[in-house]
Amino acid sequence: DAKTTQPTSMDCAEGRAANLPCNHSTISGNEYVYWYRQIHSQGPQYIIHGLKNNETNEMASLIITEDRKSSTLILPHATLRDTAVYYCIVRVETGANSKLTFGKGITLSVRP
Amino acid sequence: GAGVSQTPSNKVTEKGKYVELRCDPISGHTALYWYRQSLGQGPEFLIYFQGTGAADDSGLPNDRFFAVRPEGSVSTLKIQRTERGDSAVYLCASSLMRQSNEQFFGPGTRLTVL
Repeated sequence: DAKTTQPTSMDCAEGRAANLPCNHSTISGNEYVYWYRQIHSQGPQYIIHGLKNNETNEMASLIITEDRKSSTLILPHATLRDTAVYYCIVRVETGANSKLTFGKGITLSVRP
Repeated sequence: GAGVSQTPSNKVTEKGKYVELRCDPISGHTALYWYRQSLGQGPEFLIYFQGTGAADDSGLPNDRFFAVRPEGSVSTLKIQRTERGDSAVYLCASSLMRQSNEQFFGPGTRLTVL
């Protein structure tokens, strides 16, 4: 699986949009971009994933650049509960489930 | 519905002892994963089960680590002759067997080896 690069940390004000960047310059054509987050003392939680097109769900939006070498996770209205470590992961989807390869992630701190 | 559960939530043991960590996946999930997470690091893959069989055990660090899933549901991670370096949070996840799968994680078992 391709390697990802994320900043170590960032913060944003409550109610504002949080834009979390991720670089994956060596991504292959069949690799998807996944985002998970981990709130303190809990297991990771799936957020969203995509291949080429931008994706949106009830939690977040995922914007993938046209060359697919980077992406941005957007939390449109961050709350204090969104304070967590966010992991950007790229992986091949196969007929069989495959492991997730986590990096260190980016620590998002939402301030009141 | 019930999520992935793991027991115990905390386990303290002495160096050299044997430990078993249990994972109850979401009912109907055929895929089950074990990861471990050291302080300040992301989770690290250990082993993946599809049904009763281990489909990928490439992440097990050495032969002191072993996992089973005899009936394709509950799984047990077994660690023999524990070492201080085994101290970590052990996470279990389960998913449906399909593409675009979302892995659902349990809260983890914090293992401390004294």
